[in-house]
Amino acid sequence: AQSVTQLGSHVSVSEGALVLLRCNYSSSVPPYLFWYVQYPNQGLQLLLKYTTGATLVKGINGFEAEFKKSETSFHLTKPSAHMSDAAEYFCAVSDGGATNKLIFGTGTLLAVQP
Amino acid sequence: EAGVAQSPRYKIIEKRQSVAFWCNPISGHATLYWYQQILGQGPKLLIQFQNNGVVDDSQLPKDRFSAERLKGVDSTLKIQPAKLEDSAVYLCASSLALTSENKYFGPGTRLTVT
Repeated sequence: AQSVTQLGSHVSVSEGALVLLRCNYSSSVPPYLFWYVQYPNQGLQLLLKYTTGATLVKGINGFEAEFKKSETSFHLTKPSAHMSDAAEYFCAVSDGGATNKLIFGTGTLLAVQP
Repeated sequence: EAGVAQSPRYKIIEKRQSVAFWCNPISGHATLYWYQQILGQGPKLLIQFQNNGVVDDSQLPKDRFSAERLKGVDSTLKIQPAKLEDSAVYLCASSLALTSENKYFGPGTRLTVT
């Protein structure tokens, strides 16, 4: 069975500071990993994904994440936070198998202080 | 390209009443998903369709929830009768095919059961 753990349900950073949102996964097969962002009253938007190949993946809005198999982690980072980054962020895992089902973490609410 | 459409956006009902949600996926997308997102939790897959067939409904509470995608395009999710714990955002998503990595989410329907 697959699962995802997001450490920290709320994270607050100052504008211009580093953003680090943590995600650890559990999977019995090579995982596909995703980060989604959800703005208030909107659906989920894909930020970035890792399937195979390069372990450092770059996404939209300046975000990136690194797949570390030895640490079973897929942390999301952004060098400099912007006010518009305030949103909820979800890490998700899929086995890419027959149903390709996404299993989501509980989410991290990012607040950006001026 | 139009995104995934959902209606209504908000619904308030009393417990034991019935409610239905509608989803129109992106044109040409064969795979359609319904997720339930309870406040403070990540989205949980309820049911997955491939064209008009069910691929996975293992998490659907079948005593009260039903879903259909008769013509392989639009889909309807119904709850009858509703319980207080059904209060959540119901997200619809679609993807080009079953094995597609990218899933596109609609804005969701926020259901409040009083």
